[in-house]
Amino acid sequence: NAGVTQTPKFQVLKTGQSMTLQCAQDMNHEYMSWYRQDPGMGLRLIHYSVGAGITDQGEVPNGYNVSRSTTEDFPLRLLSAAPSQTSVYFCASSYGRRSSGNTIYFGEGSWLTVV
Amino acid sequence: AQSVTQLGSHVSVSEGALVLLRCNYSSSVPPYLFWYVQYPNQGLQLLLKYTSAATLVKGINGFEAEFKKSETSFHLTKPSAHMSDAAEYFCAVSDLSNFGNEKLTFGTGTRLTIIP
Repeated sequence: NAGVTQTPKFQVLKTGQSMTLQCAQDMNHEYMSWYRQDPGMGLRLIHYSVGAGITDQGEVPNGYNVSRSTTEDFPLRLLSAAPSQTSVYFCASSYGRRSSGNTIYFGEGSWLTVV
Repeated sequence: AQSVTQLGSHVSVSEGALVLLRCNYSSSVPPYLFWYVQYPNQGLQLLLKYTSAATLVKGINGFEAEFKKSETSFHLTKPSAHMSDAAEYFCAVSDLSNFGNEKLTFGTGTRLTIIP
């Protein structure tokens, strides 16, 4: 069981560069999301999707874009990286659109440094 | 809007002692509550969750948590700490206020250190 797979695990970017963090899940989960984790701030929701073709903003969406063309994939794009986007990024997924407290499964994380 | 407060960003306990990690929540509707654990350089792993069944929830690795509506709390406990429990612990809340879609809000985390 691969679960939630994120790539790359580590990345260093220069300010202004663009990149895409990849996320794939093999559990046929409808709900997928991206979080960023910063010291002392816990995990904050960036964007989420409740199914293919449907995305919405979370708590901290500025500077990030997402799309959901398939159930399996939910890439996160940084169009013009800024040092404030240095963080650890987690992709997560769960079963079903309407939640009954469904367990959310997390990827291993992507460490991004913007210099 | 839902929110979670974790009291104490760092907690240290001796090996074999009681572990108590505190979590208080606020939610406008009946919540679902979770505890996740994060080991160094890894993703988050579910420890346990409350989904309105039994108020005392048992999880993995000997952890349990009790939902207390009157205190809006969901504290995590373990009777006897083990060195392998050293990690960061996150409390999280979700509810169906966002048109029925799962939206998890995390606390800021508590780093647990075990003293040999």
